[in-house]
Amino acid sequence: GQQVMQIPQYQHVQEGEDFTTYCNSSTTLSNIQWYKQRPGGHPVFLIQLVKSGEVKKQKRLTFQFGEAKKNSSLHITATQTTDVGTYFCAVAGSQGNLIFGKGTKLSVKP
Amino acid sequence: DGGITQSPKYLFRKEGQNVTLSCEQNLNHDAMYWYRQDPGQGLRLIYYSQIVNDFQKGDIAEGYSVSREKKESFPLTVTSAQKNPTAFYLCASRTTSGSNQPQHFGDGTRLSIL
Repeated sequence: GQQVMQIPQYQHVQEGEDFTTYCNSSTTLSNIQWYKQRPGGHPVFLIQLVKSGEVKKQKRLTFQFGEAKKNSSLHITATQTTDVGTYFCAVAGSQGNLIFGKGTKLSVKP
Repeated sequence: DGGITQSPKYLFRKEGQNVTLSCEQNLNHDAMYWYRQDPGQGLRLIYYSQIVNDFQKGDIAEGYSVSREKKESFPLTVTSAQKNPTAFYLCASRTTSGSNQPQHFGDGTRLSIL
């Protein structure tokens, strides 16, 4: 079945450093969604990418969808302690469900 | 305020006991989902329902059961057959109007074995 690989599993950064997480699929994706889960919280939808080569920005967050629609990345510029949490990518399953990557857990040292 | 309500927030299960986790939404969403999250793991799909009175097994349905008698409600029962139930359980819903709509999550239920 559909799978999406997400790396790295963990990332520890100093506040002010940049952070990037990557998602890769062996098959072409129709779209990809990104979610953020704060410690002890629930996943919250961040954004959806649909078009080949698409780039979207939300303040310090930049989301990219690969030209072949098989990979995606989330980049955070100048991390802050409020960025702490686990970032998940998710792709559509065959029944309207979502298939989540295992997530990248970001910790930020002040 | 519209949203998804999961209860209880914490739940303890005794050996051989069935427990039911509640999930209610007032977002008028057709589709609802149950996920299990273990430490260091992503979200794994247990059951989902696209419409009232219909539901499908996800990747890890063994030891769980659900019902969808009302659009607003999608309770999950963790049966005694689930030998390792300790986890964080998340309920989600989404509208099926338009393709690939995002999922909205409840605050979750943490289940532990006594």
